[in-house]
Amino acid sequence: QKEVEQNSGPLSVPEGAIASLNCTYSDRVSQSFFWYRQYSGKSPELIMSIYSNGDKEDGRFTAQLNKASQYVSLLIRDSQPSDSATYLCAVKGSGGGADGLTFGKGTHLIIQP
Amino acid sequence: AAGVIQSPRHLIKEKRETATLKCYPIPRHDTVYWYQQGPGQDPQFLISFYEKMQSDKGSIPDRFSAQQFSDYHSELNMSSLELGDSALYFCASSAQIAGYNYEQYFGPGTRLTVT
Repeated sequence: QKEVEQNSGPLSVPEGAIASLNCTYSDRVSQSFFWYRQYSGKSPELIMSIYSNGDKEDGRFTAQLNKASQYVSLLIRDSQPSDSATYLCAVKGSGGGADGLTFGKGTHLIIQP
Repeated sequence: AAGVIQSPRHLIKEKRETATLKCYPIPRHDTVYWYQQGPGQDPQFLISFYEKMQSDKGSIPDRFSAQQFSDYHSELNMSSLELGDSALYFCASSAQIAGYNYEQYFGPGTRLTVT
């Protein structure tokens, strides 16, 4: 049984600061990792994907992956009130096919103006 | 850019009725996934299809079935509805490139309420 663990929060961060979100996963053979942002009642929106160890940057977002530690993180720089949402970590297995994602329960992020 | 289309957006059914949800993937995406998200829960994977064939199966009840058609759209059929089936149902799509499916993009969802 694949498990994805996240701190549910809420995580409160002042506007303009760096928000750091963390995720651990249990299936060592997992190969693909994703961060989704979800506003209440809306659909998950893909923020970042990462497949190799190290950092991947896209605008204000940086994803970090450490497969040895089975750990994924998301950094949000210059946090804005519009970043307030639930952030879902998702993991896909080792297959390249149409495997479903396993989600964590999400971290509720609040950016304080 | 075109996104995943789902219909209907809202659906109200009574217990023991049937429901059909439709999903139209992003153009040129050949893989479709269905997820269920209950109140306060994370999305749970139900089933996926690639090139009209079932590819992966998650926690889909036996009362539910799904298929993908030649134009790549998909339908999720739900029978003998129960109160616990009330949830948001998301469809996601991806493109298979060189044998690998990468990012999944989610549609706006169908909110199903069973009374």
